[in-house]
Amino acid sequence: DIQMTQSPSSLSASVGDRVTITCRASQSINSYLNWYQQKPGKAPKLLIYTASTLQSGVPSRFSGSGSGTDFTLTISSLQTEDFATYYCQQSYGTPRTFGQGTKVEIK
Amino acid sequence: QVQLQQGGAGLLKPSETLSLTCVVYGGSFSDDYWSWIRQPLGKGLEWIGEINHSRSPNYRPSLKSRLTMSIDTSKNQFSLRLTSVTAADTAVYYCARLLGPHLARGVTRESWFDLWGPGTLVTVSS
Repeated sequence: DIQMTQSPSSLSASVGDRVTITCRASQSINSYLNWYQQKPGKAPKLLIYTASTLQSGVPSRFSGSGSGTDFTLTISSLQTEDFATYYCQQSYGTPRTFGQGTKVEIK
Repeated sequence: QVQLQQGGAGLLKPSETLSLTCVVYGGSFSDDYWSWIRQPLGKGLEWIGEINHSRSPNYRPSLKSRLTMSIDTSKNQFSLRLTSVTAADTAVYYCARLLGPHLARGVTRESWFDLWGPGTLVTVSS
């Protein structure tokens, strides 16, 4: 299985901050990396697919980059509604695997 | 607008069979790939498997011996059946649509889960 490792596991930030979350794959996955946002009690929501393509309706303050084994999700200016847990997921192979999640909390 | 509605039993005893259904409203059901993903409470996401009406299902290897996924295009629904459940199967189960530019050719690489059901909490307890 391809292991996905996110860092940090949690972070505290203030509204307006720039936030960066990293995801590392245990092998090269090309650009087959997706990002999801999950709020408590809700299903995950797709933010970015194939590393850098913004899903329709997702605010432009979210962006993704990377290829191979190292990827980043950036929130350029954190908003109140962005406090949530973020997961990366690889679609290079099956079983499809997710990172362990990064919880973004209010400072 | 495509929507996913989940149904199924939420409380099971060890050794029983978990059965869940996901009904799809709208969209091109028979052309798409459909997935199940679960999440133990307070933990991360685990892919269970995926199915398309014209191809063999693809299962998580560790669950393969207990798992059956099926699809009914006449009802626009797909189902999950997991036998001999234990407490380790306690989780919120989500159905989701898998989307990607090459799925029509059966290539599931470069794909993503764009739509999710609301989730069903399944608890296994004696």
